[in-house]
Amino acid sequence: DTAVSQTPKYLVTQMGNDKSIKCEQNLGHDTMYWYKQDSKKFLKIMFSYNNKELIINETVPNRFSPKSPDKAHLNLHINSLELGDSAVYFCASSRDRGRTDTQYFGPGTRLTVL
Amino acid sequence: GQQVMQIPQYQHVQEGEDFTTYCNSSTTLSNIQWYKQRPGGHPVFLIQLVKSGEVKKQKRLTFQFGEAKKNSSLHITATQTTDVGTYFCAAPTQGGSEKLVFGKGTKLTVNP
Repeated sequence: DTAVSQTPKYLVTQMGNDKSIKCEQNLGHDTMYWYKQDSKKFLKIMFSYNNKELIINETVPNRFSPKSPDKAHLNLHINSLELGDSAVYFCASSRDRGRTDTQYFGPGTRLTVL
Repeated sequence: GQQVMQIPQYQHVQEGEDFTTYCNSSTTLSNIQWYKQRPGGHPVFLIQLVKSGEVKKQKRLTFQFGEAKKNSSLHITATQTTDVGTYFCAAPTQGGSEKLVFGKGTKLTVNP
């Protein structure tokens, strides 16, 4: 059983389109995250939800909108895609939001904007 | 904001050589975590250090947390080709929102 799963694995789209990435975790964790990893491998947090409540919202363009229908799912919708949005997006989850809680990452979604 | 500086950015070694990556912070850390990302893969948790001066071992990997809890290192003895990947340290921010700040990673390549 995959602990944290994401779909799709690859996403190739044109500039200006709207796309969504889905994430699900079956670990029973309360907290989920979206990270962006750029071409230089730098991992940067975008959003975090705890029990469906948004708790972290980094300086991300408002074209990015996360949605958590329940604590096992965290989706990411991106409007009006731009070239600079090309990256690998990782979903992750942790037991809770505590400082010692380790994070479990999904396999990633490689987004390419043409 | 809080930053965790990680060096070196790249390291290429011959199989059998040792490897070390370092993380430094200007502020005291409550704990530090290490992750490994294989090429084309996702970050996978390796270990967490919490106590000042803590040393933990996982087979050929040795993790240390500095006495002042401002630095940490990961040392691999006698590298193997299976060790290739990017190693990240990560530490939670102080106060406010609880989030992990990742170092920029050290990409390790091993020549067989």
